[in-house]
Amino acid sequence: GAVVSQHPSRVICKSGTSVKIECRSLDFQATTMFWYRQFPKQSLMLMATSNEGSKATYEQGVEKDKFLINHASLTLSTLTVTSAHPEDSSFYICSARSGQGDSPLHFGNGTRLTVT
Amino acid sequence: AQSVTQLGSHVSVSEGALVLLRCNYSSSVPPYLFWYVQYPNQGLQLLLKYTTGATLVKGINGFEAEFKKSETSFHLTKPSAHMSDAAEYFCAVRTGANSKLTFGKGITLSVRP
Repeated sequence: GAVVSQHPSRVICKSGTSVKIECRSLDFQATTMFWYRQFPKQSLMLMATSNEGSKATYEQGVEKDKFLINHASLTLSTLTVTSAHPEDSSFYICSARSGQGDSPLHFGNGTRLTVT
Repeated sequence: AQSVTQLGSHVSVSEGALVLLRCNYSSSVPPYLFWYVQYPNQGLQLLLKYTTGATLVKGINGFEAEFKKSETSFHLTKPSAHMSDAAEYFCAVRTGANSKLTFGKGITLSVRP
């Protein structure tokens, strides 16, 4: 089946630094990738949608300058949390879709970010 | 606008007992409905989905769900719980083929030996 690899699985960084999270589709071409944020015991909140070769579409309330998303190829999207603060600590999950319409979403295993 | 309601945050059942996780949705157009499972510190895995056609949908691991338009519901069931079913379960709705997925807040399933 389709596999989405997300790296790293855990990262601890100091306040003020930047962190990059990678999301790769291993055996399919992902035309669209989605980035979610999940707080403890809560649902997934969509942060942004990225299509290969174009700018990401951010959801209302998500700071595009803080959460930089790059989808430079059909198999890789990255999320960079810039100038991280403790309130950015969360579980970030990516998902990828290979086509349009009813194509299924495949999820990565998530990245636990802790900002100290 | 679309939304999903999963009442309660935690369900506990005995091993071998029926599992029933409730989901109600709100949508102005015919919805696509999904159930996902999440194990600790992992991403989401699709259990089953309803798009069109048969309203009773069978998924992986013995789970099934029934779309009831009159009740705007898509409850998830499994006849006999297994210890390995303990996880977080999310119901989700999408209102069109290319619209975004909206998740419910999730519900934790515990299985007692």
